[in-house]
Amino acid sequence: EAGVAQSPRYKIIEKRQSVAFWCNPISGHATLYWYQQILGQGPKLLIQFQNNGVVDDSQLPKDRFSAERLKGVDSTLKIQPAKLEDSAVYLCASSSLVSYNEQFFGPGTRLTVL
Amino acid sequence: KQEVTQIPAALSVPEGENLVLNCSFTDSAIYNLQWFRQDPGKGLTSLLLIQSSQREQTSGRLNASLDKSSGRSTLYIAASQPGDSATYLCAGKAAGNKLTFGGGTRVLVKP
Repeated sequence: EAGVAQSPRYKIIEKRQSVAFWCNPISGHATLYWYQQILGQGPKLLIQFQNNGVVDDSQLPKDRFSAERLKGVDSTLKIQPAKLEDSAVYLCASSSLVSYNEQFFGPGTRLTVL
Repeated sequence: KQEVTQIPAALSVPEGENLVLNCSFTDSAIYNLQWFRQDPGKGLTSLLLIQSSQREQTSGRLNASLDKSSGRSTLYIAASQPGDSATYLCAGKAAGNKLTFGGGTRVLVKP
């Protein structure tokens, strides 16, 4: 079974630029999550989708962050414009409705904002 | 609001010693407690998941316990090896399948 795929793995941009990350969850997983992990901290949930609907985006900075999962499969997270404090690893995870408890994580995208 | 704390933030032990990693949480109304391993530059690998109705889970050299009344979970790694060097994260799951993570404990096992 293929795992959660993310791209790119690394991205370096200057502040005020825009950036987008892509995630392809495990096939058949209805729920998809985006987390932000700042160096030395645990991951923090940004947004949770179930199919193509948003379940929780309470910690998403909506003035600059946006995410979509139009067809209920893969997802894109965008930052526009980026700030220095957005430097972090962005992790995508997915879970199925059957194995509701367990989230499977992708390798992450490491973003550096200069 | 659930808060999860892991102390210490870093730990160094000689090879062969048993590892004890601590996790505390503020809201006892969790559905489960999960332990993850994270290697540098990598994503998270699930190690053990303890349901709220369980007291412990075991997998090979790993054993995790859960005490909801005291808001604590402990991960034991027996006979540590250099390959166990990584960051270990615990996370409590609340309603809506939301995971709240601790800050992690960075472990170094010295040969």
